[in-house]
Amino acid sequence: DQQVKQNSPSLSVQEGRISILNCDYTNSMFDYFLWYKKYPAEGPTFLISISSIKDKNEDGRFTVFLNKSAKHLSLHIVPSQPGDSAVYFCAASASGTYKYIFGTGTRLKVLA
Amino acid sequence: DTAVSQTPKYLVTQMGNDKSIKCEQNLGHDTMYWYKQDSKKFLKIMFSYNNKELIINETVPNRFSPKSPDKAHLNLHINSLELGDSAVYFCASSQGVGITEAFFGQGTRLTVV
Repeated sequence: DQQVKQNSPSLSVQEGRISILNCDYTNSMFDYFLWYKKYPAEGPTFLISISSIKDKNEDGRFTVFLNKSAKHLSLHIVPSQPGDSAVYFCAASASGTYKYIFGTGTRLKVLA
Repeated sequence: DTAVSQTPKYLVTQMGNDKSIKCEQNLGHDTMYWYKQDSKKFLKIMFSYNNKELIINETVPNRFSPKSPDKAHLNLHINSLELGDSAVYFCASSQGVGITEAFFGQGTRLTVV
């Protein structure tokens, strides 16, 4: 039972354009959401997070939007750069559960 | 100055062997984890420890035994290795959970032949 889903396994975007990565979740107890970036042969690197009390969080080129009623979050990267090419995982946690549940990842390719 | 380091990075071993993967974090975090990334690239929680105490064991076979000698270390020992244990294992740490991010090590690619 996949509680966190990323339905797009891959995405290609032109350099300078916006990249939008989507994530859906099923567990209404989740109250903290994160995005990680992963390069081959490396561990996931934290990008940005959002608490369930917010609907938007921005950090430089990265913005995460949370729609609690739809149980949906998205990561916007503007402008996209070739160095952004990686696999992006969304993750969620519920207070006191001591675990992060990960989605299956979306491979982003930014074309120069 | 690596925040979460795990060794070895690569491990090739025969079926039936026993092996260990070590993990250390220098972030002062109180919670550590082991995750497994299988051939389908799913990242699944195996164990989590808080202040050296086991909090979560996600139905992992008892051939897998984590050990936390102190808050900065969480090692993973695997007995009687099977072909299906081949995967990438990631160690991670966080300060609590639910309100903060986890930091991951670079992973250990285990290949059982």
